[in-house]
Amino acid sequence: DTAVSQTPKYLVTQMGNDKSIKCEQNLGHDTMYWYKQDSKKFLKIMFSYNNKELIINETVPNRFSPKSPDKAHLNLHINSLELGDSAVYFCASSQDFPGSNQPQHFGDGTRLSIL
Amino acid sequence: GQQVMQIPQYQHVQEGEDFTTYCNSSTTLSNIQWYKQRPGGHPVFLIQLVKSGEVKKQKRLTFQFGEAKKNSSLHITATQTTDVGTYFCAGRGSNDYKLSFGAGTTVTVRA
Repeated sequence: DTAVSQTPKYLVTQMGNDKSIKCEQNLGHDTMYWYKQDSKKFLKIMFSYNNKELIINETVPNRFSPKSPDKAHLNLHINSLELGDSAVYFCASSQDFPGSNQPQHFGDGTRLSIL
Repeated sequence: GQQVMQIPQYQHVQEGEDFTTYCNSSTTLSNIQWYKQRPGGHPVFLIQLVKSGEVKKQKRLTFQFGEAKKNSSLHITATQTTDVGTYFCAGRGSNDYKLSFGAGTTVTVRA
């Protein structure tokens, strides 16, 4: 029944490691997003894909690389993890193009902690 | 780029009282959305406003979009413990693909 599902829910790892977060949506939406939420709860858009095409690519380090194998999946790979990467990462999806007035549906989040 | 400011950052409310959170943009917005995030949870869409001066109600929640489409407010009456959480406004400029989120108002309720 889960609409937007992310794995893993928790990720604890050491500085310098490479990790991936996976996201899948079963809503039939065309657009998917990655957001980073810091400790002050500020939600910052990182990337957005529409039908597997990169639409939004905010200023994030090159260590972050999104990949969308199909419109139902959007994964996030992070290389050489740093302390400042500790945050909650939310995947979201919406119907149609990012510029349309459609609500976004968020996953439960992946809580990333860097030791 | 598009910036959406939201105040206050924190709101401590006595149960039964009313409060309002405000959202302001430096540029005209094509629409504004409101989300609620419970502690430990994820943002959940509440409502969207599109028209200038639009007012929408959901039970004890009243949402308003300014005449100039540069500001919005969320007013909650008779606050309950179930209202605890962070409320985000999110707006999109006319030529923007992305939705810009405000910093959120985190609400705590004293019983």
